[in-house]
Amino acid sequence: QQQVKQSPQSLIVQKGGIPIINCAYENTAFDYFPWYQQFPGKGPALLIAIRPDVSEKKEGRFTISFNKSAKQFSLHIMDSQPGDSATYFCAAVKAAGNKLTFGGGTRVLVKP
Amino acid sequence: NAGVTQTPKFQVLKTGQSMTLQCAQDMNHNSMYWYRQDPGMGLRLIYYSASEGTTDKGEVPNGYNVSRLNKREFSLRLESAAPSQTSVYFCASSRDFLSGDTQYFGPGTRLTVL
Repeated sequence: QQQVKQSPQSLIVQKGGIPIINCAYENTAFDYFPWYQQFPGKGPALLIAIRPDVSEKKEGRFTISFNKSAKQFSLHIMDSQPGDSATYFCAAVKAAGNKLTFGGGTRVLVKP
Repeated sequence: NAGVTQTPKFQVLKTGQSMTLQCAQDMNHNSMYWYRQDPGMGLRLIYYSASEGTTDKGEVPNGYNVSRLNKREFSLRLESAAPSQTSVYFCASSRDFLSGDTQYFGPGTRLTVL
C-alpha cells in the first residue's frame, strides 16, 4: 500500500498550459514534501519542496499548494514549455530522518 | 565535481547470479541511499547509510545487502539475483540524515535478470 498516492499517471498539455499533479498522504508524521523531476535516462533531481506550515510556495514557474487538513498537496507548472516534459514525483519525509517515500510518478508531455 | 556516480550503467544477469552495484559521491556527504524504481511505483528505498559505519534497512531490503566502504562509497549487492529484481537502481546522497536535506541522485543502473 503506497503511503503517498499520486495522480494522474500521465498528462498531456499544450505549450503554455498548466499541468497539475496531485498527491495525498495519510501519515501525519511526514513533515517535508519535496517534488522531484526526472528526465529519461537520468536520476531524479529536486525541483521544489514545502513544509506543512506553509500553504503555497513558488519557484519560477513551479508552484506547490499544500492543504494540511486534507493531507494533500499539488504541483502546478505555469506557462509550461516542451522542455518541462519529464516524469514528476512527489515525495514525503518524516521528521525523524531523511528517508524519502515517493508517489508513483506522473509523466508530463508538453506539446509545442 | 562529478556528484554521484554509479557503475555499471547496464547489466544483464541470469537467475541465481550475483553482482555488486557501485556508488560513489564526491560531495563529502555523510548519508547515502539505494533506491529501486519500478513502473507506477515510484522509487522505493532499499537500504540507507545515515553516516559512515552505519547501514539500515529501508522499505524493500529483501534479497539485497549493502556495504558503506568509506565516506564516499556505498555498494549494493545481489547475492542470488531473481527476475523480481529487474529494475532501475539509483544511488543518492545527502549532506546529513535530517528531514529536508536534499538528496542528490546518480544516473542509475538498469538491471535485467533473466
